[in-house]
Amino acid sequence: DTGVSQNPRHKITKRGQNVTFRCDPISEHNRLYWYRQTLGQGPEFLTYFQNEAQLEKSRLLSDRFSAERPKGSFSTLEIQRTEQGDSAMYLCASSLVGKEAFFGQGTRLTVV
Amino acid sequence: GIQVEQSPPDLILQEGANSTLRCNFSDSVNNLQWFHQNPWGQLINLFYIPSGTKQNGRLSATTVATERYSLLYISSSQTTDSGVYFCAVITQGGSEKLVFGKGTKLTVNP
Repeated sequence: DTGVSQNPRHKITKRGQNVTFRCDPISEHNRLYWYRQTLGQGPEFLTYFQNEAQLEKSRLLSDRFSAERPKGSFSTLEIQRTEQGDSAMYLCASSLVGKEAFFGQGTRLTVV
Repeated sequence: GIQVEQSPPDLILQEGANSTLRCNFSDSVNNLQWFHQNPWGQLINLFYIPSGTKQNGRLSATTVATERYSLLYISSSQTTDSGVYFCAVITQGGSEKLVFGKGTKLTVNP
């Protein structure tokens, strides 16, 4: 097992474009989390899944953001009509229920 | 929601010194983890420690759940220990998300 994998590692996009990020969790993990981190801050929760069900969404997750985990394996996070304020590191983590969470390398988004 | 406070916010040490990082939390927790964020942004797991004491080489951690705090000890610090250390918790009986503190930025000088 290679751990949690995120792609792409870096993304530069123009304001107004849509972007999609992918997260492949550790294979046996049923929980998958998305976080966002801006410079100098701790990671902020966006949403999490248990298997394919999205169980909680943060108020940070505006209607421009959507996340899916269609078969309970990998997940995608899409941001529509990107804004400069969306520039951040997007982190994915996975775990078994109630157990230790492991993070991927993150996707760094820059909106120009 | 639960509040997680880390102290100090910044710490500068000479190589070889010891340090203690603190994490206070405002509610009972089921899960507490310590992470080290490397220069590329990845969060590296240090300890999963909802209670008790654990040691891993030069690092050790203690969580006193009844008093709602955790401590991370770094002994004989090395320049490679530099970076940001985060504490994160999951509350009992509430949301299952990890809530992070703002971190402690550690700089170890040669």
